[in-house]
Amino acid sequence: QSALTQPASVSGSPGQSITISCTGTRSDVGGYNYVCWCQQHPGKAPKLIIYDVSKRPSGVSNRFSGSKSGNTASLTISGLQADDEGDYYCISYAGPNTLIFGGGTKLTVL
Amino acid sequence: QVQLVQSGSELKKPGASVKVSCKTSGYTFTNYFINWVRQAPGQGLEWMGNINTKTGTPKYVQGFTGRFVFSRDTSVSTAYLQIDSLKTDDTAVYYCAKEAPGAGPNPGDSWGQGTLVTVSS
Repeated sequence: QSALTQPASVSGSPGQSITISCTGTRSDVGGYNYVCWCQQHPGKAPKLIIYDVSKRPSGVSNRFSGSKSGNTASLTISGLQADDEGDYYCISYAGPNTLIFGGGTKLTVL
Repeated sequence: QVQLVQSGSELKKPGASVKVSCKTSGYTFTNYFINWVRQAPGQGLEWMGNINTKTGTPKYVQGFTGRFVFSRDTSVSTAYLQIDSLKTDDTAVYYCAKEAPGAGPNPGDSWGQGTLVTVSS
């Protein structure tokens, strides 16, 4: 199975909104409402910020939101802050007990 | 609170084996799968598979079959990753993660700190 497709990098200024896309197929993103997003700061373990396409774990800011249309999922970060800088990964369910990760997107806050 | 604490960094020679531990606390170990994720230097995250902590049944994805073994010891609430016949390409940080409760399939809401395995002659 190939990795989900994400843009290599995105950038935005503080206070702006950015959106990161995650494109898969009918066998993963398009086939199930089980898309997650993780945030990773340099040298740190990943952190789950979105699950089940659009749900946020307790404690995650409501500036993070997720959505899905067809085979493409999206993560939107509103009110961009310096601490949002890092790498973002989408993850999708892809069939019986199988997850697939995206290649990751580096977010730069200008 | 939920904690996953992994064993320390390892330096191994090609052909050797390594066993990484992931000690959990703060929840009932057998209620949630443990995922294993690899991150090679400067690269993205890669799902290796997981282990059903209740039954001990492992799931390996393509690319992580044969030399990789997931196991667990319920008496000490610990999951293990063993890699045999190490290759230089196995150099990476390995993470364990507990699946999030009340959610569909997911990589985990609690992660270990990562274990750096370096394979070099």
